[in-house]
Amino acid sequence: NAGVTQTPKFQVLKTGQSMTLQCAQDMNHNSMYWYRQDPGMGLRLIYYSASEGTTDKGEVPNGYNVSRLNKREFSLRLESAAPSQTSVYFCASSYRQGSEKLFFGSGTQLSVL
Amino acid sequence: GESVGLHLPTLSVQEGDNSIINCAYSNSASDYFIWYKQESGKGPQFIIDIRSNMDKRQGQRVTVLLNKTVKHLSLQIAATQPGDSAVYFCAESSPDSNYQLIWGAGTKLIIKP
Repeated sequence: NAGVTQTPKFQVLKTGQSMTLQCAQDMNHNSMYWYRQDPGMGLRLIYYSASEGTTDKGEVPNGYNVSRLNKREFSLRLESAAPSQTSVYFCASSYRQGSEKLFFGSGTQLSVL
Repeated sequence: GESVGLHLPTLSVQEGDNSIINCAYSNSASDYFIWYKQESGKGPQFIIDIRSNMDKRQGQRVTVLLNKTVKHLSLQIAATQPGDSAVYFCAESSPDSNYQLIWGAGTKLIIKP
């Protein structure tokens, strides 16, 4: 049982480049999330998908877009990367949206030069 | 101790002793609280959660205490082991956050041999 799988694990971009972070879960969860974690800080929610076919903005959505491709997959896209988007990105899933424990992937370390 | 959204404090504990990690929250409407452990280079891992209709909940070697009067949450780890070294995060959710988790900055737990 793989849980939540994220790719890639590391990525270096130049300012203005675009890329998509991939996330898949095999726990039949309905809800999926994208967070970013900056050094010495807690996680901040970028976007979430309460169920297949829906997406909503979180605390820090600017500069990002998401796609809930199907129940298993939830991708995060940076259209024009900026140095301020240098961070570690985590995907998570839960059985349902709301006050419920989340299961996290191992993260993507992104550097934008 | 820690307040949601501020600096990263450090707690050093002798191996075998009990550890107590504290978390203060400010939203009296918060009704769900959760603790995560994050080891270096990994995603957060669920430890234990508690809802506001409870004061105490126990797991394996861990206990969470909730004091709603003073808006304080604590995580107690019994007989601390080297494998407990990590950053510990508390998070809360409420109707105000659309039941999305709001994360604290974390507490780094260091185990002394």
